Amino acid sequence: DGGITQSPKYLFRKEGQNVTLSCEQNLNHDAMYWYRQDPGQGLRLIYYSQIVNDFQKGDIAEGYSVSREKKESFPLTVTSAQKNPTAFYLCASSMQGAPTYEQYFGPGTRLTVT
Amino acid sequence: QKEVEQNSGPLSVPEGAIASLNCTYSDRGSQSFFWYRQYSGKSPELIMFIYSNGDKEDGRFTAQLNKASQYVSLLIRDSQPSDSATYLCAVLYSGYALNFGKGTSLLVTP
Repeated sequence: DGGITQSPKYLFRKEGQNVTLSCEQNLNHDAMYWYRQDPGQGLRLIYYSQIVNDFQKGDIAEGYSVSREKKESFPLTVTSAQKNPTAFYLCASSMQGAPTYEQYFGPGTRLTVT
Repeated sequence: QKEVEQNSGPLSVPEGAIASLNCTYSDRGSQSFFWYRQYSGKSPELIMFIYSNGDKEDGRFTAQLNKASQYVSLLIRDSQPSDSATYLCAVLYSGYALNFGKGTSLLVTP
């Protein structure tokens, strides 16, 4: 089965701890993205990567970090510097060079920090 | 800031009717437009994309794009209760990244 997997589905952490969210895809997509969604809000872009070993900040990158060491994987670390980390985190991927760059989403990770 | 605006709803339509969802965007240079469906607690699912002016049909769904008016819409014919969800409009910018509206909640009543 081709698709995007995210783990874990639910994650609970204490304030002040860093946490890493996993995102893996086997669609052979070049580009990968991280978004966060808050209740009643649209998706906001955190980071994106078009190729291995390269990534760009999105609109709300502060308090987050990423790596792209493999084409299939794009983990997101939520650091203790992120002031409001509780949210629904969504990973997406798309083909590079496609005319419309349609993005497909994984199932998401719901992070709760107390 | 490139804006994507949607009426939050809820939009309520009876089963079998046509649901019309609307979206406006501020960046006149935008080229590609997407509609995602998101059920409560789930991730968004791509249902349509459009990049040429006019209509694009796929089954019960029709996307309409008017670049001069900076307006994109989604029509759902023969609406079913299973269509009840939040519909997100997204606009491509910066080559790869999508800018999302906050979504319109659709309720199809039996």
